Amino acid sequence: QVHLVQSGAEVRKPGTSVKVSCKASGGSFSSYQIGWVRQAPGQGLEWMGHIIPILPSTKYAQKFQGRVSITADKSTNTAYMEMSSLRSEDTAVYYCARLTSNYFDPWGQGTLVTVSS
Amino acid sequence: QSVLTQPPSMSGAPGQRVTISCTGSSSNIGGGFNVHWYQQIPGTAPNLLISDNNLRPSGVPDRFSGSKSGTSASLAITGLQAEDEADYYCQSYDSVLSDYVFGTGTKVTV
Repeated sequence: QVHLVQSGAEVRKPGTSVKVSCKASGGSFSSYQIGWVRQAPGQGLEWMGHIIPILPSTKYAQKFQGRVSITADKSTNTAYMEMSSLRSEDTAVYYCARLTSNYFDPWGQGTLVTVSS
Repeated sequence: QSVLTQPPSMSGAPGQRVTISCTGSSSNIGGGFNVHWYQQIPGTAPNLLISDNNLRPSGVPDRFSGSKSGTSASLAITGLQAEDEADYYCQSYDSVLSDYVFGTGTKVTV
């Protein structure tokens, strides 16, 4: 059974960057896809992108292209999502989730990123 | 903005039936892409409820069922229980955007 554990909450100033980790246990990490989804306060879910660690290959939502980088370390079964040029609108909970047959399951517990001066 | 539209809120008494709609277009649901549903209890991560239009993962009560027709999909909750109070999201893939897309979300109150 796959289990995803994310890094803790972060506070950043506008214009800086943040890197969130997602450590997987169970299953074969390299063989599945890890996606990232964010949720702004009181808002819905928004897909950001995903990675296939075994290739590695990434795909990003058009909105985040160029500002988000998703990587994976197969030696530690950990995926990362790094976002640069942060602005207040990026304040959100960021989730990682395994992407299987075009759906997300299971999900990590979420990481709150607060962008404030 | 989301390309999948859901009603913002729905409510029902315990034991009643609630049906949540998810309306898309020919580039997503109507284009043959499967629809998946998630339940999110406030303060927690989303949880897969229905996959591939109508499949229930292990552990999901059979009170939850999904269907799809044309450019829309639906999630039905029968025998509503207090623990079903949560936000529900549909999700599919859009071939024009080349993105995974989520619905706007529906808050169910029991």
